[in-house]
Amino acid sequence: EPEVTQTPSHQVTQMGQEVILRCVPISNHLYFYWYRQILGQKVEFLVSFYNNEISEKSEIFDDQFSVERPDGSNFTLKIRSTKLEDSAMYFCATSLKTGTGRAGELFFGEGSRLTVL
Amino acid sequence: TQLLEQSPQFLSIQEGENLTVYCNSSSVFSSLQWYRQEPGEGPVLLVTVVTGGEVKKLKRLTFQFGDARKDSSLHITAAQPGDTGLYLCAGAKGGATNKLIFGTGTLLAVQP
Repeated sequence: EPEVTQTPSHQVTQMGQEVILRCVPISNHLYFYWYRQILGQKVEFLVSFYNNEISEKSEIFDDQFSVERPDGSNFTLKIRSTKLEDSAMYFCATSLKTGTGRAGELFFGEGSRLTVL
Repeated sequence: TQLLEQSPQFLSIQEGENLTVYCNSSSVFSSLQWYRQEPGEGPVLLVTVVTGGEVKKLKRLTFQFGDARKDSSLHITAAQPGDTGLYLCAGAKGGATNKLIFGTGTLLAVQP
């Protein structure tokens, strides 16, 4: 079954360092998302991306965050200068379409655990 | 702010028991998805409900979407230890993006 793959599975970084998290979407999916889950808290929406543009972002997704799809396959989340509170699991998700029904369903990767020291 | 409250937060039951998890909101959603999440892994989609009043069954799991599309329930019959995990509901508003609002989660432990 097609799946979303994420790398790295775990990254430890020093506060202030840049981090790039990578995601390979399901091949025919067109909509891409990043969510994060701080330990013990609920999953939170960060950003959605379609046609090489951000279509929606949350308040969490400030100027320190950016997304791109540089080579048409990988979808990346960059955190420019990490803070302690960025420590979380970051999940990439993809969907074939938007809207209701099966085509709009989101499929999640296994996550990248980011630890900021 | 759109919130999805799940209850109970924690549930520990014996194998063979039945249980129901509730997902409630004051907002209307175009669809609602239920996920199961294992520790250290991503949410895995179980089902999507779209129509108010819709009932979907997945083996021993029964999902219902409220008539007003503001709430949903997950009922598990004859729970098994393999059902142990974190159950998440997530509502979608639809439209240009499929941004999901996730519920607070219900952690289920089924004891053998």
